[in-house]
Amino acid sequence: DTAVSQTPKYLVTQMGNDKSIKCEQNLGHDTMYWYKQDSKKFLKIMFSYNNKELIINETVPNRFSPKSPDKAHLNLHINSLELGDSAVYFCASSPAGREAFFGQGTRLTVV
Amino acid sequence: GDSVTQMEGPVTLSEEACLTINCTYTATGYPSLFWYVQYPGEGLQLLLKATKADDKGSNKGFEATYRKETTSFHLEKGSVQVSDSAVYFCALSDSDYKLSFGAGTTVTVRA
Repeated sequence: DTAVSQTPKYLVTQMGNDKSIKCEQNLGHDTMYWYKQDSKKFLKIMFSYNNKELIINETVPNRFSPKSPDKAHLNLHINSLELGDSAVYFCASSPAGREAFFGQGTRLTVV
Repeated sequence: GDSVTQMEGPVTLSEEACLTINCTYTATGYPSLFWYVQYPGEGLQLLLKATKADDKGSNKGFEATYRKETTSFHLEKGSVQVSDSAVYFCALSDSDYKLSFGAGTTVTVRA
């Protein structure tokens, strides 16, 4: 059983489109995250949720909107995609204050 | 704010060589410290962790000791294998809802 699963694994889309990435965890963790990894492998936190409540929003453009329908799911919707949004997006979950478990990543390519 | 500074790569080694990746941190409180590993095309996996000063984390032949006096958490392995080729990330958690990562160090081990 996959602990943190994201779909899709690859996403290729045109500029201006709207797309979503889904994330689910079956670990019973209260906290979930979205991270962005750029082409130089640098990881930057985008959002952090605890029990469906937004805790951290790290100066992410408004085009990015996370949604947590329950504490096992944290989806990421992106409007009006831009070339600079191309990256690998990782979902993760953790018990509060402890190590995070990561999904396999979604490679987003905007053309 | 919290930050992690990691030795820049890339690092290329021969099999059975010793590996050290330096990591220092800045935090206001008493963070937990982690090393994550990312194999090509995969997500991040926890390699080891330490939650308080002088703790030593170890796994798969890798070790790191939490040094509060030098604010460091250097990763070491005495004899690397080709299968250790990956990107290694040092990270800290100083709150319940955020992991801050270093820039990552790419390690390539040649046979």
